[in-house]
Amino acid sequence: KNEVEQSPQNLTAQEGEFITINCSYSVGISALHWLQQHPGGGIVSLFMLSSGKKKHGRLIATINIQEKHSSLHITASHPRDSAVYICAGLGNTGNQFYFGTGTSLTVIP
Amino acid sequence: GAGVSQSPSNKVTEKGKDVELRCDPISGHTALYWYRQSLGQGLEFLIYFQGNSAPDKSGLPSDRFSAERTGGSVSTLTIQRTQQEDSAVYLCASSLVVTVNTEAFFGQGTRLTVV
Repeated sequence: KNEVEQSPQNLTAQEGEFITINCSYSVGISALHWLQQHPGGGIVSLFMLSSGKKKHGRLIATINIQEKHSSLHITASHPRDSAVYICAGLGNTGNQFYFGTGTSLTVIP
Repeated sequence: GAGVSQSPSNKVTEKGKDVELRCDPISGHTALYWYRQSLGQGLEFLIYFQGNSAPDKSGLPSDRFSAERTGGSVSTLTIQRTQQEDSAVYLCASSLVVTVNTEAFFGQGTRLTVV
């Protein structure tokens, strides 16, 4: 069983829809990253959070440490949001990130 | 540039040859991580360096893999006697001293193809 689980694995949405991607983890972490990976491209860090909520443009990330759960929300989705979104927990000892398997998002015009 | 730099960006090698992948972290970042992503697979942790401490090698898939970090900066990942299953994108990331507010930055990766 993966230490970090994401859902859904695949998501197709119409342009403009509100999107939620979920991440649950079973290991102790000190912080959680949300990453974005475009086809053929590198990885971009969207958020790093250890509590509460962060917002950047149309993206919102929340984390509940007690429930070991985080969500990434995209408001007013756009085709350029199409990518793989990965959550990664930074272990308490700081020596590695535990990666989720990713959520492949396709936003249709 | 100010980001994490990896070289080469692409490498095609024959089975059995040795390859060396390089990662230049962001200046001042003491933590450096190597990962790989095989085709259609998730990210797999390989090795972690923190400052001058002995690296955490727990994720290396076999003894054909080794890594070093000279002077606490540039890191090289070496794969000896490459096999076809080593084909993957090898990613490097770096971050400041690990704290709760650590942000990690990833390089563009080296795409390794073993033929």
